[in-house]
Amino acid sequence: NAGVMQNPRHLVRRRGQEARLRCSPMKGHSHVYWYRQLPEEGLKFMVYLQKENIIDESGMPKERFSAEFPKEGPSILRIQQVVRGDSAAYFCASSPVQDTGNTIYFGEGSWLTVV
Amino acid sequence: KNEVEQSPQNLTAQEGEFITINCSYSVGISALHWLQQHPGGGIVSLFMLSSGKKKHGRLIATINIQEKHSSLHITASHPRDSAVYICAVPNSGGSNYKLTFGKGTLLTVNP
Repeated sequence: NAGVMQNPRHLVRRRGQEARLRCSPMKGHSHVYWYRQLPEEGLKFMVYLQKENIIDESGMPKERFSAEFPKEGPSILRIQQVVRGDSAAYFCASSPVQDTGNTIYFGEGSWLTVV
Repeated sequence: KNEVEQSPQNLTAQEGEFITINCSYSVGISALHWLQQHPGGGIVSLFMLSSGKKKHGRLIATINIQEKHSSLHITASHPRDSAVYICAVPNSGGSNYKLTFGKGTLLTVNP
């Protein structure tokens, strides 16, 4: 049973370009969470999605960031017009069911560098 | 919002030593997570616990709900245990996914 798969592992973008980060949850998991780890800072919650639904996006920056989890395919975190401050590690996690005390499983992370 | 404090921030040990990392939080919770992150690497969930104690190999996690405190212990530490250990708890409101993370404890185990 493959774990949470994230790609790309490393992504370099110039300022103003778009970054797309993909996350395939563990098999059988329908809940996906994105977290961001800025340099020298702790992890912070960004967004929680179920298939075709955004459940909680209270941790997402108001502009340039969006997330989706379509019926088919991976969850995508999209950052438009990237700036240097977006350089961070973005982690995806998944769980089978929310809020029942199940462990969430993290991916290997995607490291975004904006130059 | 739940506040999470970890101690120590940095810990250096000799191979074979018993390690303890502490985590305190401010608001009552339903479950607490211990995570491991190797430098430049992914995050591995070590434990999720809501009461008592859990053991996995050389790792032991305990939690005292009344005191809002958890500890992660590593017995017979090994250089491959060198990593950042992160404690995470749900934000007040109880949703297990909306975690507040500690800043982490950087453990270095020397051979």
